[in-house]
Amino acid sequence: EAGVVQSPRYKIIEKKQPVAFWCNPISGHNTLYWYRQNLGQGPELLIRYENEEAVDDSQLPKDRFSAERLKGVDSTLKIQPAELGDSAVYLCASSLTPSGNEQFFGPGTRLTVL
Amino acid sequence: GQSLEQPSEVTAVEGAIVQINCTYQTSGFYGLSWYQQHDGGAPTFLSYNALDGLEETGRFSSFLSRSDSYGYLLLQELQMKDSASYFCAVRAGSSGAGSYQLTFGKGTKLSVIP
Repeated sequence: EAGVVQSPRYKIIEKKQPVAFWCNPISGHNTLYWYRQNLGQGPELLIRYENEEAVDDSQLPKDRFSAERLKGVDSTLKIQPAELGDSAVYLCASSLTPSGNEQFFGPGTRLTVL
Repeated sequence: GQSLEQPSEVTAVEGAIVQINCTYQTSGFYGLSWYQQHDGGAPTFLSYNALDGLEETGRFSSFLSRSDSYGYLLLQELQMKDSASYFCAVRAGSSGAGSYQLTFGKGTKLSVIP
């Protein structure tokens, strides 16, 4: 069984530039999560999808962050414009059930904003 | 909101047993999860406790006391490959979308030495 796929693995951009991350969850997993992980910290939830619906985006900084999951499968997270403080690892996860007691994480995208 | 406390670092000898504690403060508690993350890698699910008591999975065991808002991860017969960060995470919140939110602690970096 293929795991959660993310791309790119690394991204370096200058501040004020836009950036996008892509995630393909495990087949059959209807629940998808985007997390941000700062160095030395645990993952922090940005947004959770049930199929194509964003059911929890309370922690997504909506002034610069956006996400979509148009067909309820793969998802894109965008930052525009990026700020220095956005440097982090962006993790995508999926779960078979909405409870998310067992979440499967992708390898993440390490973003560096210069 | 939720808060979790776990030691930042633990060092143990190969073959020994180590316990990583986690205390939490939250409302609407549903359960406690543990994840392992190697440097540069993705978090990997280890266990989930919703009820009081000990759950054993191979060399790893996880314990929960809901009345004490406390849990721990027990690793036996430590191996060098167990060197990683270990995160406790609470599933908590009010009914609805928030009840499925997972909040992670800052992680405990375990170093296994020969």
